[in-house]
Amino acid sequence: DGGITQSPKYLFRKEGQNVTLSCEQNLNHDAMYWYRQDPGQGLRLIYYSQIVNDFQKGDIAEGYSVSREKKESFPLTVTSAQKNPTAFYLCASSIYRFNQPQHFGDGTRLSIL
Amino acid sequence: GQQVMQIPQYQHVQEGEDFTTYCNSSTTLSNIQWYKQRPGGHPVFLIQLVKSGEVKKQKRLTFQFGEAKKNSSLHITATQTTDVGTYFCAGLRNQFYFGTGTSLTVIP
Repeated sequence: DGGITQSPKYLFRKEGQNVTLSCEQNLNHDAMYWYRQDPGQGLRLIYYSQIVNDFQKGDIAEGYSVSREKKESFPLTVTSAQKNPTAFYLCASSIYRFNQPQHFGDGTRLSIL
Repeated sequence: GQQVMQIPQYQHVQEGEDFTTYCNSSTTLSNIQWYKQRPGGHPVFLIQLVKSGEVKKQKRLTFQFGEAKKNSSLHITATQTTDVGTYFCAGLRNQFYFGTGTSLTVIP
């Protein structure tokens, strides 16, 4: 079945540590997105990529980095510069650009030890 | 940044009652999408509205896009327990801005 796979489902980070969240899709979608979901705040866009080797900052990109070396993969690194990383992270993809339905993965829940 | 406000934050209804959630933007949107997220799950796309004044129906769900393309609503007629979840709108300008969501509880 086609879909989006996020791993791991749960992740724990120590203070000062970088961690990378994986997102893989086999839908042949051009666009991919990373969102952060906090209780009562809905989804906020961290980064998005419309094509390979290109990505753009969303509203809350500070403390995060991404890469898009392959169409299928869009990993997100939460760096030590992100002061409040505890959240639920959702990866999504769409056929192209923003005006298409977004398909979401099951998410990664990141917690600080 | 640009915000899309969504009300109410929570709604409890008796099974069979109707339910409505509203989204409002201070600026004109290119289009608006609606998503449903079940407890413990991920958002699932429901519908996209593009035209001013557009109305779309999916069985018991009715979606509207305002004439000024600044607001939208989702109305569910005769709620069922399967309708439980959080409903999000996402308005598009240069990027999608998600509303804060309305969490629907249906009491059997």
